[in-house]
Amino acid sequence: DAGVTQSPTHLIKTRGQQVTLRCSPKSGHDTVSWYQQALGQGPQFIFQYYEEEERQRGNFPDRFSGHQFPNYSSELNVNALLLGDSALYLCASSYGLTFSGNTIYFGEGSWLTVV
Amino acid sequence: GIQVEQSPPDLILQEGANSTLRCNFSDSVNNLQWFHQNPWGQLINLFYIPSGTKQNGRLSATTVATERYSLLYISSSQTTDSGVYFCAVEFNTGGFKTIFGAGTRLFVKA
Repeated sequence: DAGVTQSPTHLIKTRGQQVTLRCSPKSGHDTVSWYQQALGQGPQFIFQYYEEEERQRGNFPDRFSGHQFPNYSSELNVNALLLGDSALYLCASSYGLTFSGNTIYFGEGSWLTVV
Repeated sequence: GIQVEQSPPDLILQEGANSTLRCNFSDSVNNLQWFHQNPWGQLINLFYIPSGTKQNGRLSATTVATERYSLLYISSSQTTDSGVYFCAVEFNTGGFKTIFGAGTRLFVKA
């Protein structure tokens, strides 16, 4: 049973560029959430996708956008990259909109460095 | 908004020692989970524990939802327990959001 898979694992981008990160949820899961984790901090909630719609959003600017596909996989897009966007981006999958009775599973993350 | 505070922020233990990590939250929450993040960034779920007590080997957790705190106990610590421990709470704001604490950084010395 494949867990949550993310790609790419590492990438380096230049300020002003755009980046797309990808996530495939754990088998049987239909909800994908994205988190940004800066060095030395806890993960910060970006947004959550369910039934191909953004359901909840954290305090992130519109430069951060996403998409969920019919097969439940998801993409995170960040436009006009800033140095401060350098972080570990984590994808989490779960079943349903709340993790009541369930557990959240995380991928190994995508390490983004903006130079 | 809801605040999640973890203590202590850093902890150094000798192998074999016991420890207690604490997570306080400022409002009623829907759910709570504890995670361990290894040095490579992988977050591993330890406990789903909105209330009550659970045990898994050397680890156990207790959440007292009415008093808005959760505790993670590590007994007979091993060097492989090193890493960062996070609690994450889910709350309902007309939809469900998950907030993580800042974590407790644990280093277990051999």
